[in-house]
Amino acid sequence: DIQMTQSPSTLSASVGDRVTMTCRASQRISNWLAWYQQKPGKAPKLLIYEASSLESGVPSRFSGSGSGTEFTLTITSLQPDDSATYYCQQYNSYSPTFGQGTKVEIK
Amino acid sequence: EVQLLESGGGLVQPGGSLRLSCGVSGGTFNNYVIAWVRQAPGKGLEWVSTINTGGDSTHYADSVKGRFTISRDNSKNTLYLQMNSLRAEDTAVYYCAKEGHSSGDCGNFDYWGQGTLVTVSS
Repeated sequence: DIQMTQSPSTLSASVGDRVTMTCRASQRISNWLAWYQQKPGKAPKLLIYEASSLESGVPSRFSGSGSGTEFTLTITSLQPDDSATYYCQQYNSYSPTFGQGTKVEIK
Repeated sequence: EVQLLESGGGLVQPGGSLRLSCGVSGGTFNNYVIAWVRQAPGKGLEWVSTINTGGDSTHYADSVKGRFTISRDNSKNTLYLQMNSLRAEDTAVYYCAKEGHSSGDCGNFDYWGQGTLVTVSS
């Protein structure tokens, strides 16, 4: 299976900050990568697909980049509502796998 | 809008069985590839199984292969997960999720249910 590694595990930032988190794949996955936001007690919400395409209805402050094995999710101006855990997921193979998550906290 | 609603979770003893259901409304169920994804308490997301639109192609995570069976009834707009030989490590919230954009082999998930909790304990 393809392993997905996210960093950092937790990050703390202030409202208005630019925030970046990373996801690395154990082998090349082209651009078959998605990002999700999950709040406590809720189902994940799709934010980004194909590494950089914004899902309909998702605020434009979220953006994704990368290809191959290294990917980033950026929030350009952090909002209080962005406090959540963010997961990456590869869908290059028949066994989709998720990263372990990055928890974003608001200072 | 597509809505998914899981049911069937609960407390079961190790070695026991449970069947989860996922009712889907909105859109055309027959056209959807659907999956089960689980999340152990305080842990991350783990893909469990996927079934194609016709129900004749299924894929499973190694951790559940041979114990879990995914199926669907397109006449009832319902997805199922039959779970046998349950273990403590199967304890999790189980989500059904509709596949969104696909690479051809598998996809991401654009609609999710609210989840149903399965607890395996004596």
